[in-house]
Amino acid sequence: GIQVEQSPPDLILQEGANSTLRCNFSDSVNNLQWFHQNPWGQLINLFYIPSGTKQNGRLSATTVATERYSLLYISSSQTTDSGVYFCAVGGGSYIPTFGRGTSLIVHP
Amino acid sequence: SAVISQKPSRDICQRGTSLTIQCQVDSQVTMMFWYRQQPGQSLTLIATANQGSEATYESGFVIDKFPISRPNLTFSTLTVSNMSPEDSSIYLCSVARVGPDTQYFGPGTRLTVL
Repeated sequence: GIQVEQSPPDLILQEGANSTLRCNFSDSVNNLQWFHQNPWGQLINLFYIPSGTKQNGRLSATTVATERYSLLYISSSQTTDSGVYFCAVGGGSYIPTFGRGTSLIVHP
Repeated sequence: SAVISQKPSRDICQRGTSLTIQCQVDSQVTMMFWYRQQPGQSLTLIATANQGSEATYESGFVIDKFPISRPNLTFSTLTVSNMSPEDSSIYLCSVARVGPDTQYFGPGTRLTVL
């Protein structure tokens, strides 16, 4: 199956800082999603982005499918951005494989 | 988007017993999944719930331990059978309308087995 690697595993920021999270995958994909799991466990879909670039407020994502990676940018981070960010990718079978996540803590 | 509810939100159970988790979606969806998330870990797919037929289980998960029902396009149940402390996890219901497409998650069921 597809291998998914996320980096860094842990990230600590001061409020207002910017950050970049990376997701590398081992094979061509037709489905790539970024999720945020808040401290209460709820998973929120941030982006569906198998290729190209999307932006939503302070968050943006870019996937370069030919080079098998995706980046999630968080600008002007806030304490509410804390949680775990997961990348999930899927190939021909659609069933997505989740990475191990990046745990983000934003301090006030 | 899809609004997903799960019952119960949390439970504490004795080993050897079984718990059934319900997942209700506010609209018809093509695909429904059940995931397990052990403490501090990523999500692991248990099975795809198929309407009107047996669920499709991932490697390491079997029907006798995790029986699943999906009687219609908006509802599914997952039973965790003959529980042991190793079953303590968050169990998540997830849906998608067509594949590949955006996936949505329920709030999860936090299970503790003593």
